[in-house]
Amino acid sequence: DQQVKQNSPSLSVQEGRISILNCDYTNSMFDYFLWYKKYPAEGPTFLISISSIKDKNEDGRFTVFLNKSAKHLSLHIVPSQPGDSAVYFCAASGSNFGNEKLTFGTGTRLTIIP
Amino acid sequence: GAGVSQSPRYKVAKRGQDVALRCDPISGHVSLFWYQQALGQGPEFLTYFQNEAQLDKSGLPSDRFFAERPEGSVSTLKIQRTQQEDSAVYLCASSLDGPSYNEQFFGPGTRLTVL
Repeated sequence: DQQVKQNSPSLSVQEGRISILNCDYTNSMFDYFLWYKKYPAEGPTFLISISSIKDKNEDGRFTVFLNKSAKHLSLHIVPSQPGDSAVYFCAASGSNFGNEKLTFGTGTRLTIIP
Repeated sequence: GAGVSQSPRYKVAKRGQDVALRCDPISGHVSLFWYQQALGQGPEFLTYFQNEAQLDKSGLPSDRFFAERPEGSVSTLKIQRTQQEDSAVYLCASSLDGPSYNEQFFGPGTRLTVL
């Protein structure tokens, strides 16, 4: 049972345009959500997070939106840059404490076209 | 370096061999996690340590998998009698404890191939 789902395995976006990556979850106990970015042969690196008490969190070109009633979150990247080409993982946990395991989606491969 | 390091980066084992994978977390990080990432999938939780105590091993797929962190820093994931289905990237992550510290810092992983 996949508790965190990323239904788009891949996405291609023109440089300078907006990239929107989507994620759905089924477990209503999840309270904290994170996005990680992964380049080949490297470990995932943290990008941005959001607590369930918020519906939006912004950090530079990256914004995460959370719709708790729909159990849906999305990551917006604007403007998209070639260096954004990577695999993006959505992850969820029961709290924002450092001792909580993460449940990951299967990832979306984002390709930015110059 | 200041990040999480893992060794070896690549390991090829014959079916039935035992392997040991090492993780050096960021200094001072209390929490340490092991994840398994199969091809085309996201990382899946294996086990969690708080200092030297293994508080959650619910994700270990079988009793062939064993992890330890005897001094609360370096951790070793051991897989006995490896099988082909054990082929995956094994990721280690560490984090601080307490609220607002949910960001886990990942190492580059060890890619295990079982022939």
